[in-house]
Amino acid sequence: KAGVTQTPRYLIKTRGQQVTLSCSPISGHRSVSWYQQTPGQGLQFLFEYFSETQRNKGNFPGRFSGRQFSNSRSEMNVSTLELGDSALYLCASSYSGGETQYFGPGTRFLVL
Amino acid sequence: GENVEQHPSTLSVQEGDSAVIKCTYSDSASNYFPWYKQELGKGPQLIIDIRSNVGEKKDQRIAVTLNKTAKHFSLHITETQPEDSAVYFCAASTEGNNRLAFGKGNQVVVIP
Repeated sequence: KAGVTQTPRYLIKTRGQQVTLSCSPISGHRSVSWYQQTPGQGLQFLFEYFSETQRNKGNFPGRFSGRQFSNSRSEMNVSTLELGDSALYLCASSYSGGETQYFGPGTRFLVL
Repeated sequence: GENVEQHPSTLSVQEGDSAVIKCTYSDSASNYFPWYKQELGKGPQLIIDIRSNVGEKKDQRIAVTLNKTAKHFSLHITETQPEDSAVYFCAASTEGNNRLAFGKGNQVVVIP
């Protein structure tokens, strides 16, 4: 069974732009969660989508948004990019809730 | 929200020795505790997890112990090998909730 895939793997943007990252979960998994990983703050939960609905949200500004499609694939959007948004963005999938989450390789994102 | 602390931040061990990483959590409602291993350039990989209805779980050279009263859990790696060198993260969440709160991570270095 294929693992979680994320595209693109690397990305460079400039301040003020917006970006969309994509995550395809493991086949059969309906929950997709997004995390931001930085050297200073570590791994922080952004939000979770289940059956096309946001089920849980972390403490990030409204510039960070997401959505999930009927095939469970998820996208994360960041608008009006700031230098501090540079990070590794990880998505994780699971069957539903409270179960093992499997992470993708991440999108390494740099804002200049 | 849940706060997970992880100690020590860096751990160096001789090949063949044991490594122990300890984590504490703050929310008594947390009942799921996974451990992830992250190698350079990769996403976190689940290595073992434990739920609050058990006190210990073992998988070959890896074991996790949980003390609910003291709100701490530990990862034990025996007979360490160079390929065990990585960053290890502990995390916690509550029943049916995919929002993982992560510790800051431990860099484990196995010296051949």
